[in-house]
Amino acid sequence: EPEVTQTPSHQVTQMGQEVILRCVPISNHLYFYWYRQILGQKVEFLVSFYNNEISEKSEIFDDQFSVERPDGSNFTLKIRSTKLEDSAMYFCASSGGDRDGYTFGSGTRLTVV
Amino acid sequence: TQLLEQSPQFLSIQEGENLTVYCNSSSVFSSLQWYRQEPGEGPVLLVTVVTGGEVKKLKRLTFQFGDARKDSSLHITAAQPGDTGLYLCAGGYSSSNTGKLIFGQGTTLQVKP
Repeated sequence: EPEVTQTPSHQVTQMGQEVILRCVPISNHLYFYWYRQILGQKVEFLVSFYNNEISEKSEIFDDQFSVERPDGSNFTLKIRSTKLEDSAMYFCASSGGDRDGYTFGSGTRLTVV
Repeated sequence: TQLLEQSPQFLSIQEGENLTVYCNSSSVFSSLQWYRQEPGEGPVLLVTVVTGGEVKKLKRLTFQFGDARKDSSLHITAAQPGDTGLYLCAGGYSSSNTGKLIFGQGTTLQVKP
């Protein structure tokens, strides 16, 4: 079964540091997403990406966040200067724009100290 | 604000009992998806419904999309301990499974043997 792969599974970083979360979406999918889930809260949409550009972003996705698809397989989320409140599970997802729906990765647990 | 309210938030039942989880919104969605999420993992898609009134069955799980496409339900017949987990509903504005998803807060189900 094709899957979305995320690395690292856990990341601890100092406040103010930059982090890059990596994702390898399903190979024939064209739509890519990042979501986050703060402990005990809902899964929240951050950004969607299609055709090498952001198609939609939420209010959470401010100037500290950026996404990139540097090659044909990776999809990254960069947080430029992390804050304590960025601590959360970050999920990457991809979809093929068909009835099969969205596939989520297992997530990266980011802890900002 | 786009909201999806799930109820109940917690449910603890005995093996063999039936249960229904509800997902309600004031918004009309093009698709409604149900996911199951294990601790420390990403959401795993169970089903997608796209047509008002649509009913889909997955073994002992029955999913229904409301006629007005604002609500959905998940019914489990003869629950088993293996059904224990977090169930999430998510609404999308695209019937082709692209674009952002709005998640409910989840229903934690515990099935006791």
